[in-house]
Amino acid sequence: AQSVTQPDIHITVSEGASLELRCNYSYGATPYLFWYVQSPGQGLQLLLKYFSGDTLVQGIKGFEAEFKRSQSSFNLRKPSVHWSDAAEYFCAVGSYDYKLSFGAGTTVTVRA
Amino acid sequence: NAGVTQTPKFQVLKTGQSMTLQCAQDMNHNSMYWYRQDPGMGLRLIYYSASEGTTDKGEVPNGYNVSRLNKREFSLRLESAAPSQTSVYFCASSVLEPGKNEKLFFGSGTQLSVL
Repeated sequence: AQSVTQPDIHITVSEGASLELRCNYSYGATPYLFWYVQSPGQGLQLLLKYFSGDTLVQGIKGFEAEFKRSQSSFNLRKPSVHWSDAAEYFCAVGSYDYKLSFGAGTTVTVRA
Repeated sequence: NAGVTQTPKFQVLKTGQSMTLQCAQDMNHNSMYWYRQDPGMGLRLIYYSASEGTTDKGEVPNGYNVSRLNKREFSLRLESAAPSQTSVYFCASSVLEPGKNEKLFFGSGTQLSVL
């Protein structure tokens, strides 16, 4: 069975500071990994995805994530957070058919 | 180009009532999905359709039925709504062709309350 754990329910970060969101997954084969962002009242927007190749993946809005197979992790990072990055972030794992399992999400609050 | 369109955006039902959530995509995607989102649980797959004419159960299918009416439309039906089905429902679609921007495109969601 596939599953995702996001250990941090809520993170507060100062504007301009760096951000790292943790994601651990369980999957029987080579996973497809995703990070999505959801602003209040909105649907989900894809930040980045990993299928294969380079384990450091660049996404939109200045985000990046690193796939570490040995640690079953896919942590999301941003060097300098903007107030507009306040949102809920979801890590997901699945396969080519996109039947994804999502983590419970991490809410990011940005303080001025 | 509307993407994935869900209707209605909000709905309140009484226990035992039935309703259908509608979803349509205009991107010529072959695969479509219904997810529900509950606080503290992320999104969970209810049903998906790999192509027109096929449907399959996801993680939490009980109490729901689906219809893949054609390539564009994928509806979710609650035959007898229960309070446990209070949730936000998201429809999504995907192209599933390597090299063709593979990702899930989500609709804006339907907030359903069952009293």
